[in-house]
Amino acid sequence: DIVMTQSPDSLAVSLGERATINCKSSQNVLSSSNNKNYLAWYQVKPGQPPKLLIYWASTRESGVPDRFSGSGSGTDFTLTISSLQAEDVAVYYCQHYYTAPYTFGLGTKLEIK
Amino acid sequence: QVQLQESGPGLVKPSETLSLTCTVSGGSISNSYWSWIRQPPGKGLEWIGYIYYSGTTNYNPSLKSRLAISVDTSKNQFSVKLSSVSAADTAVYYCARDDYGAGYFGLWGRGTLVTVSS
Repeated sequence: DIVMTQSPDSLAVSLGERATINCKSSQNVLSSSNNKNYLAWYQVKPGQPPKLLIYWASTRESGVPDRFSGSGSGTDFTLTISSLQAEDVAVYYCQHYYTAPYTFGLGTKLEIK
Repeated sequence: QVQLQESGPGLVKPSETLSLTCTVSGGSISNSYWSWIRQPPGKGLEWIGYIYYSGTTNYNPSLKSRLAISVDTSKNQFSVKLSSVSAADTAVYYCARDDYGAGYFGLWGRGTLVTVSS
């Protein structure tokens, strides 16, 4: 199985500041056939189901604010929130879907400093 | 819009079978891949497996020997059965839709907590 490692485990950022979450896969998730990275990001708030933010490593899901962006390729990926808002407090997970079984990182808890 | 709703017992005894159903409302179950995903208390997310509306399945090898996912297109539902459960199977179970068969999940149910305890 591909292991997804996120860092940091938790992060406290001031309102309006940038938040950066990292995700590393134990194997390459970039497909040579279509040049796409099989990597997604989700936001989970207490008592709510996960919400898809980013897929194909950098494609923003419809309706997701443009302060959220994804980058990276191969095995190293980053989720960036350019200007943290109070409603962004949540746990963020990365997930690969390169091949089954799909696996998730353990999550990064984002709080307000 | 399309909504997913999980249903089933919230308490299952050890060694018994966990059974959950996901009802798709506001749209058709056809032409999509449907997954089950779980999250044990205080832990991360684990993909359990998926079923295509035609009945094709793909299971997580870690659960494959105990797992069965089925679909009932006439009822717009899909279901999961996990046998020989233990406390380690206690989790919030989500059903989710993978629109394009790529493997990411754009639509989730609200989740249902299943506790394994005698």
